[in-house]
Parts: sequence; structure tokens; C-alpha cells
Amino acid sequence: SQTIHQWPATLVQPVGSPLSLECTVEGTSNPNLYWYRQAAGRGLQLLFYSVGIGQISSEVPQNLSASRPQDRQFILSSKKLLLSDSGFYLCAWSVLMNTEAFFGQGTRLTVV
Amino acid sequence: AQSVTQLGSHVSVSEGALVLLRCNYSSSVPPYLFWYVQYPNQGLQLLLKYTSAATLVKGINGFEAEFKKSETSFHLTKPSAHMSDAAEYFCAVSDDRYTDKLIFGTGTRLQVFP
Repeated sequence: SQTIHQWPATLVQPVGSPLSLECTVEGTSNPNLYWYRQAAGRGLQLLFYSVGIGQISSEVPQNLSASRPQDRQFILSSKKLLLSDSGFYLCAWSVLMNTEAFFGQGTRLTVV
Repeated sequence: AQSVTQLGSHVSVSEGALVLLRCNYSSSVPPYLFWYVQYPNQGLQLLLKYTSAATLVKGINGFEAEFKKSETSFHLTKPSAHMSDAAEYFCAVSDDRYTDKLIFGTGTRLQVFP
């Protein structure tokens, strides 16, 4: 069966420090991969999606970037964190035309 | 561009009472519609989805939703609330068949009182 791993579960980082969040999917090939952010009191916002290795689409301008170095690995990064980057980050995957996305357990990032 | 509106950021019901969470969508093409549930500090779990088959969709945990094109609505209901239903619920829409990108509503927090 397919599983998605996301780590770390929680992270506290100072302003100006770098960030790397990792997500891996098992049990499927060539998934579509997504990074969402849930800010306090707000819904989920799609940050990035990827339909293949090295193919990244950014949905909103921001201080973050994403990379997909392997088929089932999706990384969210920042060179210098801002206070406004705090939130709950969720990785998700889907299979083309399967119509539903499957979510990881999320990473709660607090920038201090 | 498509969008989703969830009326009511907080809904409170008594245990055993009807649950009704509202969702209206805006889409230029026939959409796929979803309801997800999120328990504290966890990811999202799919409750149910509409993909242009039956308009009344049954999901897990006794929830169901009805797609009404004339009202552009996809409200979530459950006849009898249980304490374990307390969570945040998100409605989402997708009309992108190639990437399954989801557009989420702002969520509704459901509280269930004994």
C-alpha cells in the first residue's frame, strides 16, 4: 500500500535561518506531489506542485522554494526564514486522474 | 478561477444532533468536490468525494454530501453527531484533471457538546 512520510513533525527555527522539510512517498510511481501551508486561522494554500522529477510549479510568490530530486521525494526549502513563514506544512500526493490527494501528517514550523 | 466558500468558521452541536457544514463552490467547468477532516496536529483525511457520478455521496464515519449544481453547493451532513466528530472540516474543489490541484475553503471547526 502507499504511504507518505513527512518530517520533522515539529520545528522551531530562528528568523534568518535556513529550512529543509522532506517528504517521501512509498508504494507508487510517478506521483504528483504538493506542498500546502496552513497558517493560523486560515485554510490551506497550495504552495508548489510537481508532476515529475525536476518539474516544479509555484502557485504563490514567497520566500520558499521546492525541489524534486527523485521521483518520490519532495523537498521544501528556504535560505532565510521570515516570521511569516510560520505555519503547518502539509505534503500530499496523487496519481494522475485518480481525483483525490493523500496527505502526510504535517510539519508545524514556528519561526521565532 | 475556481474557489470554495465555507459559511461558518465554527459550528457547535450537541451529541446526537444533526451536523450541517456548508460549502459553496465556484467553477467554470464541472468540478470534482471533496470534504476532508483534520484532527489536531494531523494531516487531512478524505471523508468523501464527488466526481460526477451520483449526486448524493456517502463517505466514512456516517457523513454524506449532496451535490446541487443549481445552488453550486456541496454541503456535508451527518444525522447524529458523535463526540469523536469534533475536528476541522475542509471543503475543496478541483477542476484540473491533470494535476489534481485542490483549492480549499477556510475550514469549519466542529464542536460537539455532551
